[in-house]
Amino acid sequence: NAGVMQNPRHLVRRRGQEARLRCSPVKGHSHVYWYRQLPEEGLKFMVYLQKENIIDESGMPKERFSAEFPKEGPSILRIQQVVRGDSAAYFCASSHRLPTNPFNNEQFFGPGTRLTVL
Amino acid sequence: GENVEQHPSTLSVQEGDSAVIKCTYSDSASNYFPWYKQELGKGPQLIIDIRSNVGEKKDQRIAVTLNKTAKHFSLHITETQPEDSAVYFCAASDLDGGSQGNLIFGKGTKLSVKP
Repeated sequence: NAGVMQNPRHLVRRRGQEARLRCSPVKGHSHVYWYRQLPEEGLKFMVYLQKENIIDESGMPKERFSAEFPKEGPSILRIQQVVRGDSAAYFCASSHRLPTNPFNNEQFFGPGTRLTVL
Repeated sequence: GENVEQHPSTLSVQEGDSAVIKCTYSDSASNYFPWYKQELGKGPQLIIDIRSNVGEKKDQRIAVTLNKTAKHFSLHITETQPEDSAVYFCAASDLDGGSQGNLIFGKGTKLSVKP
């Protein structure tokens, strides 16, 4: 069983460029969460998506950041016009929550994408 | 919103000793409390979790306790081994509420187990 896949593992961008981070959830999981981790810090929630829907984006900056989880293909976190403060590790997690069993929320994390903005 | 505090930030123990990490949370609606282990350069891995309808859960050398009244939960690792060295994160979540199960993490505890 393949776990959560993220690519690229490392991404270097210059200020003003765009960063695209990809996440393929565990097969069969339809719930995806994105978190950001600054050095020596815990993970901060950014956005929660189900297939084709953004459920909660309360942790994501209103400008320059967007996320999608299309019907087919991976979830994408997109950061436009990157700034140095965007440098961090970005983790994706997936889960298989069922409406009939909301407690089944074990989140499986990917290895992360480490974004460095020069 | 929910706030999770974690202590200590660093913990050093001798191999074979026990390690205890404590977390407190602020939102009484939180009902799911997982613990994650993160090794250098890797993503967090779930090691144990507990739900609000139980007070204690054990899995081999790892146990978690929950005190809902005091709003705190703890991770206990017995007979520590060098491979237990990592950063450990606690988290809290309200699976039934508007947060939709988003995890609120503590800042982590760096555990070092000395041989």
